[in-house]
This record gives sequence, structure tokens and C-alpha cells, in this order.
Amino acid sequence: EVQLVESGGGLVQPGGSLRLSCAASGFTFSRFAMSWVRQAPGKGLEWVSAISGSGGTTYYADSVKGRFTISRDNSKNTLYLQMHSLRAEDTAVYYCANLYISSSQAFDYWGQGTLVTVSS
Amino acid sequence: DIQMTQSPSAMSASVGDRVTITCRASQGISNYLAWFQQKPGKVPKRLIYGASSLQSGVPSRFSGSGSGTEFTLTISSLQPEDFATYYCLQHNSYPRTFGQGTKVEIK
Repeated sequence: EVQLVESGGGLVQPGGSLRLSCAASGFTFSRFAMSWVRQAPGKGLEWVSAISGSGGTTYYADSVKGRFTISRDNSKNTLYLQMHSLRAEDTAVYYCANLYISSSQAFDYWGQGTLVTVSS
Repeated sequence: DIQMTQSPSAMSASVGDRVTITCRASQGISNYLAWFQQKPGKVPKRLIYGASSLQSGVPSRFSGSGSGTEFTLTISSLQPEDFATYYCLQHNSYPRTFGQGTKVEIK
């Protein structure tokens, strides 16, 4: 059974930092690109960042570029999101997700999310 | 970056209605468009990818169409479990971008 379990969320002051983790199991983690998607309270989905299976290529939304860093440790089957210079508008539930699409197969797996609250 | 504009932002419909939601891309994205469903308090679930390919396990009353910049999600006969918010996502290029969502409510 595929599981994605996020952790690391919590309350942080504006300008602070936080690191989110996503522990993956039930699939060959290193084979798949992984993404972070967030959702502010009562708002829509926002794609945040993605990383290739090897970790060698990363992508970011303009809203987080230069402040957030995505990484992965394939030996630990874990995805990370290091967040710096946090702002009130970063307050959201952060989901890690495997949104795989190929010519022969497609699936999407999501964690349950971890809440990040940026407030003084 | 590619902007995705969904319409309508909300709608009321009855069980059995045919429902159509539109998503427009700010530039051509070929057929690299996905549709997600999210129910309150739940994680999103992908229904359609590649504009018209139905994800495994998704009921056939859901269908997608379009190419280039104009896309539609159609629910042929709305069921009680379909009341939810629907999002489009372009998977043509990075950064990926979601539409703002369409909330389908009970009339």
C-alpha cells in the first residue's frame, strides 16, 4: 500500500524557517518525481515545487522561488521542503504528492497534509 | 508562466444534470491538462489527465476534452457524490499551475 506521510508543520513567526518532511512507502521512491502542493485555508490548490527522481532537477512556483528548497533522500525514501523567510501568505496545508503520468500508466498519490501557520 | 482560468467559479446543479466546467490556458499547452476533484476535508483526486484520459477507477460519467488553450470537464449525469470542487492543472511545463477551482453545489 502506498503511503505518503508529511510532518514538520506548525506555527512559525513571519521571517522564520521550517522544514517539512514526507516519508514515502509502498513504491520505488527513487523512480518517481515528487511534488509539493499547498492549500491556504478556504482557498484553492497551489502547486509549489517538484523534484526529479534522482533529485538532480528541481522546479518552483514564482511565489516561493528563492525562499523554498525541495530535496530528497532516496536512501531514506523521504522528500523535504525547506522553507525560509516565511510570510503570512505561506500559511496553508502542504501536501506531498506523486502525480505520475506516462504513456502507459497514470496514478496520483497524496499525503494527508501538514499545516503550516505563519503568524506572530 | 502559464495562467489557468476556470469558469464558472461556482455553480448549482441537480442530481442527473449534465455539468460542464471550462479551463482556459494563457498559452497553448497541447493536451497536457488534468482535472482534479476535491471534497471538503479530503485530499484531491485526479480524474482526467492528458485532457481526455480517464484515470483508472474513475466513473465513465466523467469526461474531458480540448486541446491548445480551451478545455472542458463534463459530468454527464451528476451524482450525489460528485458535489465537490474541481480544479484543472496544466502539466505541459514548469511551473505547473492550477485553475482557481469550480465549486459544484446542490441546487
